[in-house]
Amino acid sequence: AQSVTQLGSHVSVSEGALVLLRCNYSSSVPPYLFWYVQYPNQGLQLLLKYTSAATLVKGINGFEAEFKKSETSFHLTKPSAHMSDAAEYFCAVTPSAGGTSYGKLTFGQGTILTVHP
Amino acid sequence: ETGVTQSPTHLIKTRGQQVTLRCSSQSGHNTVSWYQQALGQGPQFIFQYYREEENGRGNFPPRFSGLQFPNYSSELNVNALELDDSALYLCASSLYAGSGNTIYFGEGSWLTVV
Repeated sequence: AQSVTQLGSHVSVSEGALVLLRCNYSSSVPPYLFWYVQYPNQGLQLLLKYTSAATLVKGINGFEAEFKKSETSFHLTKPSAHMSDAAEYFCAVTPSAGGTSYGKLTFGQGTILTVHP
Repeated sequence: ETGVTQSPTHLIKTRGQQVTLRCSSQSGHNTVSWYQQALGQGPQFIFQYYREEENGRGNFPPRFSGLQFPNYSSELNVNALELDDSALYLCASSLYAGSGNTIYFGEGSWLTVV
């Protein structure tokens, strides 16, 4: 069984400030982890993914995330927020290699990021 | 642009009716999954198809059914629509062979049940 908890349904930062969106997971098997972004009235766009290579993953638009097995976390960060980063962000988990479970994503509830001028 | 296209983009149905949503996967992708995203919620896994066979199902009743065609396009059918079925329905495609492959989402189909 898998689950994802995103701490903070709303996060507000000033333009240029650090963005930190928190994600903790629970998985009975080694997981693969994803961060997706959703702009209003649109589908999901992949920001980055962890698939058991490097634990520090760099994604698009300056975002990165670090997989910490001991903390069961996969927090998303960006050093300097931009107005265009305002959107909803989803953390998701799926079982890694083995069996036929890959691709069945379990999502968190989402975090809405607001960026103030 | 993810290469995953869904239709229709918006539709309104009456309670009790049936609806069919369509998805065209990214070229070469043999796996398609469907998700329901209710307002203010994260997407919920409905089911997955791999090479035209259902390959796992989430906690959704049998009135949610699907098909995958030889060209890997897919349909989601919902019978006996209920008001709670109002949601954004997302299709996702990936290449199954080799875990860790990127999973691409379409723009979704907005369903309103009145």
